[in-house]
Amino acid sequence: TQLLEQSPQFLSIQEGENLTVYCNSSSVFSSLQWYRQEPGEGPVLLVTVVTGGEVKKLKRLTFQFGDARKDSSLHITAAQPGDTGLYLCAGVESGGSNYKLTFGKGTLLTVNP
Amino acid sequence: DSGVTQTPKHLITATGQRVTLRCSPRSGDLSVYWYQQSLDQGLQFLIQYYNGEERAKGNILERFSAQQFPDLHSELNLSSLELGDSALYFCASSVGTGGYTFGSGTRLTVV
Repeated sequence: TQLLEQSPQFLSIQEGENLTVYCNSSSVFSSLQWYRQEPGEGPVLLVTVVTGGEVKKLKRLTFQFGDARKDSSLHITAAQPGDTGLYLCAGVESGGSNYKLTFGKGTLLTVNP
Repeated sequence: DSGVTQTPKHLITATGQRVTLRCSPRSGDLSVYWYQQSLDQGLQFLIQYYNGEERAKGNILERFSAQQFPDLHSELNLSSLELGDSALYFCASSVGTGGYTFGSGTRLTVV
């Protein structure tokens, strides 16, 4: 059983469309992070959310942390081909004794020109 | 360049062999984490070191071991390799709770 479930697993859209990907869990997280990974590279941190209900914006990307700190979403407005990549959510479980991240399996996004 | 250096980038070896993967963390980061990434399992946590000491263990096989040296670089040793060990192995480092910085990974192929 995966601690963090991401959906959809694959997403292929046209340039200019909007999209939302989801990250859900039955566990409470003290913080949740989103990463983007391109082929042949390691994941790169996009954002960290720590407060239930928190919303953070990064240009065309909007990240939201659920009120109960069990889920998160990433919304991309007017997607561009450069947004193509694997989007990973990762969380630090609440009450954990060390800063160990657990990752979801990711959403593979393809934005077609 | 993320500041985390992993070598080698690619490694092809035969079953039953032993390999060592190396990681130099970002300057100032005391924590080093090792992850294995495969298509079906995603990123799986293997082990964490903090300032030379093992801090947490994940789904790391007994055939695998790691250590962090006084200069903070880390090595992941994989022995008695099997075909199923073929994967991307990532090292990441962090300071506090500010997020991980990942290296570019080592692609291990066991033939």
